Amino acid sequence: QLQLQESGPGLLKPSETLSLTCTVSGGSISTVSYYWGWIRQPPGKGLEWIANIYYSGSTYYNPSLKSRVTISVDTSKNQFSLKLSSVTAADTAVYYCARRNGGNTDSYFDYWGQGTLVTVSS
Amino acid sequence: SYELAQPPSVSVSPGQTASITCSGDKLGDKYACWYQQRPGQSPVLVIYQDNKRPSGIPERFSGSNSGNTATLTISGTQAMDEADYYCQAWDTSTAVFGGGTKLTVL
Repeated sequence: QLQLQESGPGLLKPSETLSLTCTVSGGSISTVSYYWGWIRQPPGKGLEWIANIYYSGSTYYNPSLKSRVTISVDTSKNQFSLKLSSVTAADTAVYYCARRNGGNTDSYFDYWGQGTLVTVSS
Repeated sequence: SYELAQPPSVSVSPGQTASITCSGDKLGDKYACWYQQRPGQSPVLVIYQDNKRPSGIPERFSGSNSGNTATLTISGTQAMDEADYYCQAWDTSTAVFGGGTKLTVL
């Protein structure tokens, strides 16, 4: 059974860089056809997609966050990572990693991590 | 940017049918999927590619998508179906989520 687990600091100060890692177990991150993504959810609010990455390094970013976001993959560790720079209180959210299954227009997120709460506060 | 609109809340009596809509410009020309999120839990995919159910999702969950509206239908709603539901589609390689609908089973 595929499992995803987020890890990283839970508390940041404004202007710092958020860094999270998603470790994939029970399957290979290098499997053809799967992208890997990050989605976040501010407390009490809805879901917001951040970015996707393929094992080859191909990436897609949410245009609203693109200038601050970097997604990367480490196939040797079966991990992918997220960096979000210059964080503010508005970036406080539960951050989920997930597997994207399907093509560019018909895909869906079929496996999700448990999520990790990142709080930005001075 | 592309937007998906959902009603903030829907109420249904146990055993009845619940319908949750998701509206977007020419949404019927795209594929829609739906996620269920219970309090404190991660989202779970319940419908993908408009009307397909993942393994393990009860048959009472179904979906449709036409025109500007995608609809998630839950037949014979049970208390355990009380949750937030989110629709999602793709627009120029960008994933877009609806704002979510809180389903209350009264």
